[in-house]
Amino acid sequence: QSALTQPASVSGSPGQSITISCTGTSSDVGSYNVVSWYQQHPGKAPKLMIYEGSKRPSGVSNRFSGSKSGNTASLTISGLQAEDEADYYCCSYAGSGTWVFGGGTKLTVL
Amino acid sequence: QVQLQESGPGLVKPSETLSLTCTVSGGSITSYYWSWIRQPPGKGLEWIGYIYYSGSANYTPSLKSRLTISLDTSKNQFFLKLSSVTAADTAVYYCARVRYGSGSYFDSWGQGTLVTVSS
Repeated sequence: QSALTQPASVSGSPGQSITISCTGTSSDVGSYNVVSWYQQHPGKAPKLMIYEGSKRPSGVSNRFSGSKSGNTASLTISGLQAEDEADYYCCSYAGSGTWVFGGGTKLTVL
Repeated sequence: QVQLQESGPGLVKPSETLSLTCTVSGGSITSYYWSWIRQPPGKGLEWIGYIYYSGSANYTPSLKSRLTISLDTSKNQFFLKLSSVTAADTAVYYCARVRYGSGSYFDSWGQGTLVTVSS
């Protein structure tokens, strides 16, 4: 059960769009819509941003969107704002009642 | 809106057992799955196990021999016990509610509690 692969860091200027990738296997990311994304500010608990690959919980800005192609899921943040600066983690159900997280991506808003 | 709160000792000696409690408020512990997730300082998240309100549980393979997750529905609490701890078990431990089924994700989290393993 290996961690999902995310870029260590991404950056963008206010107003721009960025995309964070999350690569797994056919046993996790590639299986149905089982990817979720979490935002974590320093010293805070993770917050669910995307579930079932592309759905947003109530209260999450529509600037956040999710997609998937094969074994790679992606989180796109459009109209970057300073408050989006945080760590982002993808997570996938991996079958047999287990989950696997990505290593995390640090988003810097320039 | 369900809320979760972790509690337990912040310092545990090597080779001893780490014990944490997650108290659920604003909703019942029944009919849901509940998980523990940890994060070593400066590192990423690691799912370590879940328990269903019926008492059935599942653990990450790397910790299976040392880990026990249980619950008390009468108190709306679930618990983590990790035995024979080492410095590698030092982490912030989070409890979370699992939406298990379509999607399978963690929709509510506790604030986390730092547990340091040190003599």
